[in-house]
Amino acid sequence: AQSVSQHNHHVILSEAASLELGCNYSYGGTVNLFWYVQYPGQHLQLLLKYFSGDPLVKGIKGFEAEFIKSKFSFNLRKPSVQWSDTAEYFCAVRGNNDMRFGAGTRLTVKP
Amino acid sequence: EAGVAQSPRYKIIEKRQSVAFWCNPISGHATLYWYQQILGQGPKLLIQFQNNGVVDDSQLPKDRFSAERLKGVDSTLKIQPAKLEDSAVYLCASSLTGSPTDTQYFGPGTRLTVL
Repeated sequence: AQSVSQHNHHVILSEAASLELGCNYSYGGTVNLFWYVQYPGQHLQLLLKYFSGDPLVKGIKGFEAEFIKSKFSFNLRKPSVQWSDTAEYFCAVRGNNDMRFGAGTRLTVKP
Repeated sequence: EAGVAQSPRYKIIEKRQSVAFWCNPISGHATLYWYQQILGQGPKLLIQFQNNGVVDDSQLPKDRFSAERLKGVDSTLKIQPAKLEDSAVYLCASSLTGSPTDTQYFGPGTRLTVL
């Protein structure tokens, strides 16, 4: 069965710091990978996704993620975070069946 | 473009009572999903509809949960009777075709508290 692991439960950074959120998955077949974000008081929304091609994908608001197949990883990065990036971030994996989400990482950016 | 609509936004009930949640997906989206998100966890898929047919309900506790999407548009999720462990946010999402590469668009959720 598919599973998704997000290593960090809560990350606290100062503005302008670099961000990397870890995501590892367990699945034997072809995967489609997603990062969703939930800003305070808002809906879950898509940041970026990967399903084929260039393993480095760029999303909205300056986020990017790299798919490393050999490591079963899809880590999210941003070179310089802003206070407005404070949110909860969810990694998700979908094979041929249902989407599996990680438990989420709460990011707090201090001004 | 209007997003996914859900109601009510909040519901408080006592255990053993019943409750229903409603979802209206984005217009033209064939696929509708119900997720359960327990505090501190990621969303867990309960059921997936393609038009008005069920594609996957393997994680739906069918002894107490039911869902329908009669006309292939809006959907209702029901819990009867509710248990304390059903306290969660119930999220509805929709996607255009249901393809594994599709983006799922989420509604605001219904926060259920079972006392």
